[in-house]
Amino acid sequence: QSVLTQPPSASGTPGQRVTISCSGSSSNIGSNYVTWYQHLPGTAPKLLIFGNNQRPSGVPDRFSGSKSDTSASLAISGLQPEDEGDYYCAAWDDSLNVLFGGGTKLTVL
Amino acid sequence: QVQLQESGPGLVEPSETLSLTCTISGDSITSSSHFWGWIRQPPGKGLEWIGSIFHTGTAYYKSSLKSRLTMSVDTSKSQFSLRLSSVTATDTAVYYCARQTGWVGDSCFDGWGQGTLVTVSS
Repeated sequence: QSVLTQPPSASGTPGQRVTISCSGSSSNIGSNYVTWYQHLPGTAPKLLIFGNNQRPSGVPDRFSGSKSDTSASLAISGLQPEDEGDYYCAAWDDSLNVLFGGGTKLTVL
Repeated sequence: QVQLQESGPGLVEPSETLSLTCTISGDSITSSSHFWGWIRQPPGKGLEWIGSIFHTGTAYYKSSLKSRLTMSVDTSKSQFSLRLSSVTATDTAVYYCARQTGWVGDSCFDGWGQGTLVTVSS
């Protein structure tokens, strides 16, 4: 069981906006920065969001991140079929471990 | 653009030591703004951080693996390595090496290897 808690699944239709939550504690999300990764079948994970809400170059602005206290969220607007896959949040913990959430499987209906 | 490539045995016997190497190209392993990490994904499960290491040798290990884990860096070969001892079936996973940009508390894995499946079985 992961210390960072994500819903196991999420879904939406093309064009919709979906949000994936990531809940932690004061020792991880509450005091460190959150990153988000997209993991599509058969590929290596890809960085989507760093520093809570920063997008690397090349990541569409349909993807956005936010953080409040001990929780973070990833929002995907204008959902596309190719967005289907697994999404993970991650953050350092004050114990000097990097924690990953359990992952959320996004289905585009 | 950084490229990372994992190498090592795909099959390890229980109680033996799992050894993997990651070779870096397109970036300097001695960069002060990067460190180098290992992440794994057991079959049907999520991503799990194993550890990260600076080119100086300073390393951070997952607490639950610390007693079995050793990471090292060979700057002359632009490689970093992982050794996990006393493996069991629960160590079966796809192992990824990755570049970690930033510093403790604020960093991200912004470059990944393709991953290599390591199976622990006799």
